[in-house]
Amino acid sequence: KQEVTQIPAALSVPEGENLVLNCSFTDSAIYNLQWFRQDPGKGLTSLLLIQSSQREQTSGRLNASLDKSSGRSTLYIAASQPGDSATYLCAALVTDSWGKLQFGAGTQVVVTP
Amino acid sequence: DADVTQTPRNRITKTGKRIMLECSQTKGHDRMYWYRQDPGLGLRLIYYSFDVKDINKGEISDGYSVSRQAQAKFSLSLESAIPNQTALYFCATSDVGTGGETQYFGPGTRLLVL
Repeated sequence: KQEVTQIPAALSVPEGENLVLNCSFTDSAIYNLQWFRQDPGKGLTSLLLIQSSQREQTSGRLNASLDKSSGRSTLYIAASQPGDSATYLCAALVTDSWGKLQFGAGTQVVVTP
Repeated sequence: DADVTQTPRNRITKTGKRIMLECSQTKGHDRMYWYRQDPGLGLRLIYYSFDVKDINKGEISDGYSVSRQAQAKFSLSLESAIPNQTALYFCATSDVGTGGETQYFGPGTRLLVL
């Protein structure tokens, strides 16, 4: 069974600092890996999706990398802003489990002005 | 209007009551999902449906049932609610394309079982 882990569970950084969020998974046979943002009381917003054949995806200040051999994905957020404060979740879609995302517990990020 | 909507957004009920959570989507996706989120545990899959006639159990289906009334509607029922079903419930839809499978989530229903 695929297990997804996110460490640390919480992170606080001053505004302007780069954020590095880690996600590790146990089964390298993934179809894709998705990063989400969750604001308090709100649903999940998809940020980036990396297919298994890709090494990284970029969107604005966000960059996500994928290393299947080591079972890791990293989300980088450049020049953090207070509006980046949220919980970030990663989820892996395993190749033989179509549609069934396995989620990490998330990293709660606070960016202080 | 939101692409994936859930009703109600908040619900308080008592142990033993039957309740239904509803989900509607305007994205035209065939695949729909129900998840629950508990603090520190991330999201766990309850049921999923790949089309109107295809419904499957997820990781934690005991105590829950679902109904796919149409492509756009997927309901989750708690037959006899118990306190450990207190959680945040999310509905999601997905689209499979050349870019992979992306899931889109509703705003969630916060359920409290007393």
